[in-house]
Amino acid sequence: GESVGLHLPTLSVQEGDNSIINCAYSNSASDYFIWYKQESGKGPQFIIDIRSNMDKRQGQRVTVLLNKTVKHLSLQIAATQPGDSAVYFCAENNGNQFYFGTGTSLTVIP
Amino acid sequence: EAQVTQNPRYLITVTGKKLTVTCSQNMNHEYMSWYRQDPGLGLRQIYYSMNVEVTDKGDVPEGYKVSRKEKRNFPLILESPSPNQTSLYFCASSPLDGARDEQFFGPGTRLTVL
Repeated sequence: GESVGLHLPTLSVQEGDNSIINCAYSNSASDYFIWYKQESGKGPQFIIDIRSNMDKRQGQRVTVLLNKTVKHLSLQIAATQPGDSAVYFCAENNGNQFYFGTGTSLTVIP
Repeated sequence: EAQVTQNPRYLITVTGKKLTVTCSQNMNHEYMSWYRQDPGLGLRQIYYSMNVEVTDKGDVPEGYKVSRKEKRNFPLILESPSPNQTSLYFCASSPLDGARDEQFFGPGTRLTVL
């Protein structure tokens, strides 16, 4: 899976299936995590965030899971649609600075 | 419309010729930040600002300067650009509560230094 510093470049899923994008972070002091979506030629767009006092947060079709024990973050997208095709980044924050992962490219197969 | 704007969107320049990339937000956000995005490296933070006249270095500040004289503007200055600063640059802003809130990104500025 994606990591801040390492990355799994691509993920392909069938339309309608669920997608899971993973991210490993390294700083145990990080207390705020965000997932962004970046479409070609555009800036990153906020999807969902989670603070370290939670282990799960749900949005519309998306769920973020945080496992602080193993420093792992995941983004689940339900019923993946063609419009979900993009690069997804996780980011961590442990103060005022952000550290981004290198991204996972999600391709949805019709 | 709430947005972050950057200018120019595309710029080709030569080594050593000073340039400024402007960033402006109309959401009255306290926090603003600059990132560069390079293939295989993701986004790396260059500088950030918690408020007017308050700026701090991010992960890769070398070769860059910023200023925050007004809340809405956060220009990125390259005093003497070099080819290794060829990159895609993004400005972002977020509301109060420091950085722990959704960041809104601009459309990006693609810079090529020859």
